[in-house]
Amino acid sequence: EIQMTQSPSSLSASVGERVAISCQASQAINTYLQWYQLKPGKAPKLLIYDGSHLETGVPSRFSGSGSGTDFTLTISSLQPEDVAIYFCQQFDDSPFTFGPGTKVQIK
Amino acid sequence: QVRLQESGPGLVKPSETLSLTCNVSDGFIGNFYWSWIRQTPGTRLQWIGYISYNGLRAYDPSLKSRVTMSLETSKNQFSLKVRSVTAADTALYYCGRCSAAGRCYWGQGAPVTVSA
Repeated sequence: EIQMTQSPSSLSASVGERVAISCQASQAINTYLQWYQLKPGKAPKLLIYDGSHLETGVPSRFSGSGSGTDFTLTISSLQPEDVAIYFCQQFDDSPFTFGPGTKVQIK
Repeated sequence: QVRLQESGPGLVKPSETLSLTCNVSDGFIGNFYWSWIRQTPGTRLQWIGYISYNGLRAYDPSLKSRVTMSLETSKNQFSLKVRSVTAADTALYYCGRCSAAGRCYWGQGAPVTVSA
């Protein structure tokens, strides 16, 4: 089973600030990595698929990068509506494991 | 865009079977993987498994002995059953439609509590 880790576990930043979340896989997964946003009472929302592809309808301030074992989700200018928990998920090999999540808050 | 809605009992007794269904607004058109994940009270996400458009199944190894997924295409539904539940199965359960590339759309979730 591929283990996923994320850092930091939580962060607090000002509106307009650039934010980066790291995700690491226990073995190489090519670019088979998705990023999700999770808010209370809402469906998990796909932000980035295949490592760096922006899902339709997702604001362009979100971007993804990386391949192999190391990946990054960047929010170029943090907005109040971005307060959420962010998860990475590998789609290289079953079971398709998730990272533990990063809680993003506004300072 | 497809809409998915989970339904089922919100309370299940220990050792009994948890049963959830997912209603799919667009029906079962296309080559998709009909999936389930759950969010535990500690806010961790766990992938449970999928049943594919052609009936293939894949489950998380830690749940495989207790989980069954089925398609009910005539009803525009698919289902999840988890047998012999314990408190550790208490979670918010999401159903989803995933492409082969892993692009998934999820429902809003159904809370399930395991308690006597």
